[in-house]
Amino acid sequence: ILNVEQSPQSLHVQEGDSTNFTCSFPSSNFYALHWYRWETAKSPEALFVMTLNGDEKKKGRISATLNTKEGYSYLYIKGSQPEDSATYLCASNNAGNMLTFGGGTRLMVKP
Amino acid sequence: EPEVTQTPSHQVTQMGQEVILRCVPISNHLYFYWYRQILGQKVEFLVSFYNNEISEKSEIFDDQFSVERPDGSNFTLKIRSTKLEDSAMYFCASNGAGHTDTQYFGPGTRLTVL
Repeated sequence: ILNVEQSPQSLHVQEGDSTNFTCSFPSSNFYALHWYRWETAKSPEALFVMTLNGDEKKKGRISATLNTKEGYSYLYIKGSQPEDSATYLCASNNAGNMLTFGGGTRLMVKP
Repeated sequence: EPEVTQTPSHQVTQMGQEVILRCVPISNHLYFYWYRQILGQKVEFLVSFYNNEISEKSEIFDDQFSVERPDGSNFTLKIRSTKLEDSAMYFCASNGAGHTDTQYFGPGTRLTVL
């Protein structure tokens, strides 16, 4: 059984703070690591798909890194804004097409 | 921008009843998926579908579950005889190129079994 873990479970930051979360995943038979941003009552929004060790991806103030050898990924948010408040999910592809999800990090940004 | 849609947004049913959850994937996608999230738990994979057949399924996806692509646009999940523990948010997803391609998710159907 594959296990994907995310930390912390929740995070409260002030507007303007930079923050980061961790996703750990099995490194064996690794295909890809996906990050999603999910607001309640909306579709999870795809942020990044990363496949190669050392990959770094950026989308505006959000960036992510990937270490496939040790099985972890970091998601960074620079200068958090209230609209960044959401649950951030990571999911690992280790076999076939199925995604195995972590429990998510719930981010709350206070104005 | 193309998106995955799901209907209904909320379904309430009695234990033992059949339910059909509907999804319209993005039109040029070839791979289709169902996931679910029981309240307070992780999102779990149920099934993937490609070329008009199931390509993978999890242990959750037992004989009570089935999927179908009845026409060129819809993708459905049927639960034959619902149980209380089937109460969850059910998500449909699709992508064009398999495991390294982004899976695009719909907004989910919240199923409540009473």
